[in-house]
Amino acid sequence: DADVTQTPRNRITKTGKRIMLECSQTKGHDRMYWYRQDPGLGLQLIYYSFDVKDINKGEISDGYSVSRQAQAKFSLSLESAIPNQTALYFCATSDPDSAELNEQFFGPGTRLTVL
Amino acid sequence: QQPVQSPQAVILREGEDAVINCSSSKALYSVHWYRQKHGEAPVFLMILLKGGEQKGHEKISASFNEKKQQSSLYLTASQLSYSGTYFCGTDGGAQKLVFGQGTRLTINP
Repeated sequence: DADVTQTPRNRITKTGKRIMLECSQTKGHDRMYWYRQDPGLGLQLIYYSFDVKDINKGEISDGYSVSRQAQAKFSLSLESAIPNQTALYFCATSDPDSAELNEQFFGPGTRLTVL
Repeated sequence: QQPVQSPQAVILREGEDAVINCSSSKALYSVHWYRQKHGEAPVFLMILLKGGEQKGHEKISASFNEKKQQSSLYLTASQLSYSGTYFCGTDGGAQKLVFGQGTRLTINP
C-alpha cells in the first residue's frame, strides 16, 4: 500500500463549487504539505503543517483553506472554485529527524479541473 | 523567492553528461533535488546542507556553494531512466521548501 494517498485522483467541478481534497499518510510523519503544480511553474506551496496544532500559509494560500484532522490526515479545501485553480495538487510529508533531514514524500497527486 | 534553474530543458544521447544549476537570491540552509517523471509524483534524490558537501547517488551527484547561493546537479553517463523533470527546492531556514521551475531532461538512445 502507498504511504501517502490522495483522494480523489481526478476531479472536475464547476466555478463556485466548494471542493475538498484529502491526503492520508501511514508514514507517521508530523509534517505535511500541500503543493500546486502548473506547467512551467514548478511546485508552489499552498499550506503546511508541522504538527496537528500548527498550520501555516505558504506562497499561494489565497482561495484555499486546510484542516489537519489528525497526524495522518491533512485536507485542502477550495471554498469557491475558480477556473485558474485548475492544476495538479500534491500532498507531501516529511520527518525532520530522518537520516535525509526533511526529505519530502509525495502522494500521487489530484488533477483538478474547474470549468 | 523562487530559485532559478538553468537550463530549462536539455536533450542528450544516452551516455552523455549533464549539469543542472539552481541559483537563489536568498541565503540558504539546504538544497533538495527531486526528479519527476511524466504523470508521476516527484521523488527525492538528495539533500545538500550548508557546508558545501558534495553528495552522490549512483551516477548522480550534486554540490552546494552556500556563498554563491547555488547548487548544481551532475548526471554522468546518462541512462534512459534519467529522463524526467528535475526540481531543486531551497530552504532558507524556515524548514519549508521553495521549488525552482524545473529542468526537463530528455535522454535519447
